[in-house]
Amino acid sequence: AAGVIQSPRHLIKEKRETATLKCYPIPRHDTVYWYQQGPGQDPQFLISFYEKMQSDKGSIPDRFSAQQFSDYHSELNMSSLELGDSALYFCASSRTSGKETQYFGPGTRLLVL
Amino acid sequence: AQTVTQSQPEMSVQEAETVTLSCTYDTSESDYYLFWYKQPPSRQMILVIRQEAYKQQNATENRFSVNFQKAAKSFSLKISDSQLGDAAMYFCAYRSGLASGSRLTFGEGTQLTVNP
Repeated sequence: AAGVIQSPRHLIKEKRETATLKCYPIPRHDTVYWYQQGPGQDPQFLISFYEKMQSDKGSIPDRFSAQQFSDYHSELNMSSLELGDSALYFCASSRTSGKETQYFGPGTRLLVL
Repeated sequence: AQTVTQSQPEMSVQEAETVTLSCTYDTSESDYYLFWYKQPPSRQMILVIRQEAYKQQNATENRFSVNFQKAAKSFSLKISDSQLGDAAMYFCAYRSGLASGSRLTFGEGTQLTVNP
């Protein structure tokens, strides 16, 4: 079965640079979620989109923005990167009619130097 | 705000034995979902099992089952016939049923070791 696709899988950036993470949901899934997981921590919710509209917002820094496009893929844009942004970033997707069980992608490992 | 607590940072079990991981949560909502996710060393987040709060019957998926005690706000995971491949970090998670696109709130995780 098709899974959530995230790109890139690994990313190395310098402080103050920008990064764009992409997420392609499972086919026919209409909702995407972004989570950040630091080393030894549980995933922390950033933001979600349902039918291209923001549906829930968590502790996402103002330096970050995200959107969902007409084909349901989503992008997380991160600017003025800080050392503390180094983490594993997960995208998950769900289908409203499927009781919204969230299925996770493999994650993007971001390292900020 | 909802909170999820896993009081066992680490657990170990012998291969082929049974182990139970604990999870408690706090919410004032009546419509919600509970999940267990597994995160092996690859760090992929894998859904193990799901429970709808309105269902009294405990969910079961092969060797994995839950003990859902709604009044006590407890949601434990039982793994039977443990296998080496079960070794992973296990996260309990809560999701509100009130709106589409609601976040998952995770517990701190329980690191499970399976001894041969």
